[in-house]
Amino acid sequence: QITLKESGPTLVKPTQTLTLTCTFSGFSLTTNGVGVGWIRQPPGKALEWLALIYWDDDKRYSPSLKTRLTITKDTSKNQVVLAMTNLDPLDTGTYYCAHRQLQRMRGGVNYSWFDPWGQGTLVTVSS
Amino acid sequence: DIQMTQSPSSVSASVGDRVTITCRASQKISRYLNWYQQKPGEAPKVLIYAASNLQSGVPSRFSGSGSGSDFTLTISSLQPEDSATYYCQQSFNSGMYSFGQGTKLEIK
Repeated sequence: QITLKESGPTLVKPTQTLTLTCTFSGFSLTTNGVGVGWIRQPPGKALEWLALIYWDDDKRYSPSLKTRLTITKDTSKNQVVLAMTNLDPLDTGTYYCAHRQLQRMRGGVNYSWFDPWGQGTLVTVSS
Repeated sequence: DIQMTQSPSSVSASVGDRVTITCRASQKISRYLNWYQQKPGEAPKVLIYAASNLQSGVPSRFSGSGSGSDFTLTISSLQPEDSATYYCQQSFNSGMYSFGQGTKLEIK
């Protein structure tokens, strides 16, 4: 059974750096094809994909937030860390980490989706 | 960036109704399209992956279709527990994902 859980500060001041940790179990980030992503959701608004890290340490970032994000992994601790710099009140929201599921289907095509997700952690940016 | 646009933004329907939600991608994405359901206070859960494949454990009243840039999520006979917000998500660009703005489904 795969589980993920986010942890980090609940309140951050503007201009500070936010560091969130995703601790997971039930899979290894050293296994070929595995990935962990971060997604956020402002209160009452839509989901926004932020970043993804692969088993081979390859990384992907949302183009609109790329300059502010850093994603890393610690395979010995089964953790993925997301750092976001220069926080603004607009960054307030629930931050989720999720396991990237990968499946090879007909024609040898790989498809991916996020499953399961962590419970999320609410981060408020305010002075 | 690939932009995902859902319609309608909200819909109200009665138990037993057939409900359809559409999702359009700003470019062709083949069948790299997933659907999620999110209930208030909960994390999203995948319903459909690769456009039309039902996730294990998801009721068969949910179905997905489409390819290219236009996709639909259909609930064949709406149940009270289907009240939620539904999101589409593309996975066409390797590792670069994006979500639609969501469709809030209310039960009359």
